[in-house]
Formats: sequence, structure tokens, C-alpha cells
Amino acid sequence: EVQLVESGGGLVQPGGSLRLSCSASGFIFSSCVMHWVRQAPGKGLEYVSSISRNGVSTYYVDSVKGRFSISRDNFKNTLSLQMSSLRPDDTAIYYCVKEDRDFDWLLDSWGQGTLVTVSS
Amino acid sequence: EIVLTQSPATLSLSPGERATLSCRASQSVSNNYLAWYQQKPGQAPRLLIYGASTRATGFPDRFSGSGSGKDFTLTISRLEPEDFAVYYCQHYGPSPGTFGQGTKVEIK
Repeated sequence: EVQLVESGGGLVQPGGSLRLSCSASGFIFSSCVMHWVRQAPGKGLEYVSSISRNGVSTYYVDSVKGRFSISRDNFKNTLSLQMSSLRPDDTAIYYCVKEDRDFDWLLDSWGQGTLVTVSS
Repeated sequence: EIVLTQSPATLSLSPGERATLSCRASQSVSNNYLAWYQQKPGQAPRLLIYGASTRATGFPDRFSGSGSGKDFTLTISRLEPEDFAVYYCQHYGPSPGTFGQGTKVEIK
């Protein structure tokens, strides 16, 4: 069974930093593209960042470019998101998501999410 | 970028009724790479339909997807209490896809 468990969320002041982690199990982590998707309170879903199987290629939504950095450790089956220069509009639940192996950007398994609150 | 517009924003129905949710794309979706996700309150989204009409593992056959090109539909034939949730459509494929804004199916 696929399991994705996020951690690292919390309350941070504007301009601060936070590092999210996702521990993956139940599948061959190194064979799957991984994503972070966020959901602001009461709002819809938004892609944040993605990383290729070997970690070489990454994607960021324009609003987080230069502030967020995605990485992965295929030995430890861990996905990370380093967030800096945080803004109030980064407040959201951040989900760690596994991409389907056959279809790009099809999100077949989601973690339970970790809440990031940016506020003074 | 393909923009997905879902309608209605909210659907108020009673258990046992049929739900019809629409997802309209600003341009044709290639290969019918259109997915639906179900999100129950306090839970993460869950893949429900992909390829416009293929049900994901674990979902009963009262859920069905249809459509092609620009117009797609999610139908729940007879609503069960556990089906009241928010449903999102998503375009996926070779480039970052997009999500619709969601349709909330609520108990009338």
C-alpha cells in the first residue's frame, strides 16, 4: 500500500523559512515523479513543485520560483520542499503526491497533507 | 495553458438522486487526458477517474466519466451519503496540467 506522510508544517512569520518532508513507502520511490500540491483554506488545488525520478529536472509554479526548492533522496525514500521568504499567501495545506508511472501529471496517491500558516 | 471551468459550483441533491458535474476546457484536451478527483472534508483528494472514463481502484460503478474534446462529465448515478464531497477535474499530460475550481456536491 502506498503511504506518503508529510511533516514539517507549522506557523511561521512572513519572510521566514520552513522545510517540509515527505516519507514514502509501499512503492518504488525512485521510479516515480513526485509533486507538491497545495490548497489554501477553502480554496482549490494548486501545483507547487515537481521533481523527476533522478532529481535532475524540477518544476515550480511561477509564484514560488526563487523561493522554494524541491529535492529528493532516493536512498531514504524522502521528498523535501525547502520554503523561504514565505508570504501570507503561501498559507495552505501542502500535499506530497505521487505521479502515475504511465501518465505525466496524473496524481494517483496523496499524503494527508501538512498545514503551513504564514502569519505575524 | 488549458483553463478548466467546472459547473455548477455547488450541487444540492438528496441521497439516491443522480449527480451530473461538468468540466469544460478552453481548448481540446488531447488523448482525453482528463481526470477527476474526489475530496471529502478534512481529507486529501483521491484520484477517481482518469482518461475521462476509467475508474480508479476502489470506486464503485455508480461513478462514471464521459466526454471528449472540450466537454467532460462526471456522473454519480445514485448518491450515497459518502459521496457528498468536492470534485475537481484536472487536465494532465506532457506539460503541467491545470485543475478546475471544483464542484461541491452537498446534501439538500
